[in-house]
Amino acid sequence: AQTVTQSQPEMSVQEAETVTLSCTYDTSESDYYLFWYKQPPSRQMILVIRQEAYKQQNATENRFSVNFQKAAKSFSLKISDSQLGDAAMYFCAYSGGGADGLTFGKGTHLIIQP
Amino acid sequence: EAGVAQSPRYKIIEKRQSVAFWCNPISGHATLYWYQQILGQGPKLLIQFQNNGVVDDSQLPKDRFSAERLKGVDSTLKIQPAKLEDSAVYLCASSLVSGRYNEQFFGPGTRLTVL
Repeated sequence: AQTVTQSQPEMSVQEAETVTLSCTYDTSESDYYLFWYKQPPSRQMILVIRQEAYKQQNATENRFSVNFQKAAKSFSLKISDSQLGDAAMYFCAYSGGGADGLTFGKGTHLIIQP
Repeated sequence: EAGVAQSPRYKIIEKRQSVAFWCNPISGHATLYWYQQILGQGPKLLIQFQNNGVVDDSQLPKDRFSAERLKGVDSTLKIQPAKLEDSAVYLCASSLVSGRYNEQFFGPGTRLTVL
């Protein structure tokens, strides 16, 4: 079974600084997808960024970028120029093995210090 | 574009009672998911529908949980009888089509408390 591990229960960063959230996963599949979702206090999950495992180039969406290390099964999220609105729970998620459903990590609570 | 709608937003019941949650996905979305999110954990997939057919229900506790999507649009998730460990937020998500790369759009969730 696939597992997703987020080892940082909570992270804190100063506004305008850069922060990196860690994620590792375990799978025997070669074709899969990885995602970062944001869950603000209102609880509505929002997709932040996604990565296809067969693409070597790291995905980027504005201030959000990933560092995808397939051999190490690592998928970290970098948030540049942190803003107060970035404060939320961040979940790393995996989809693969012929299934569409997401396997989530336990999440990282990101605090932005003004 | 209206998002995924869920109701009720909150529900408190006693153990052994029954409860039902409703989800209306984004218009035109063929794929619908139900997730269970226990406090302090990430969501766990319970069931996936493609139109009105079940694609994956391998993690659904079928002795007490059931779900349906009769007309391929709205969906209902039911628990009977509820146990204390069912206390969680139940999230509904939809995507335009099936496929692992497709973005899933989540609703606000229903917070269930079982006393």
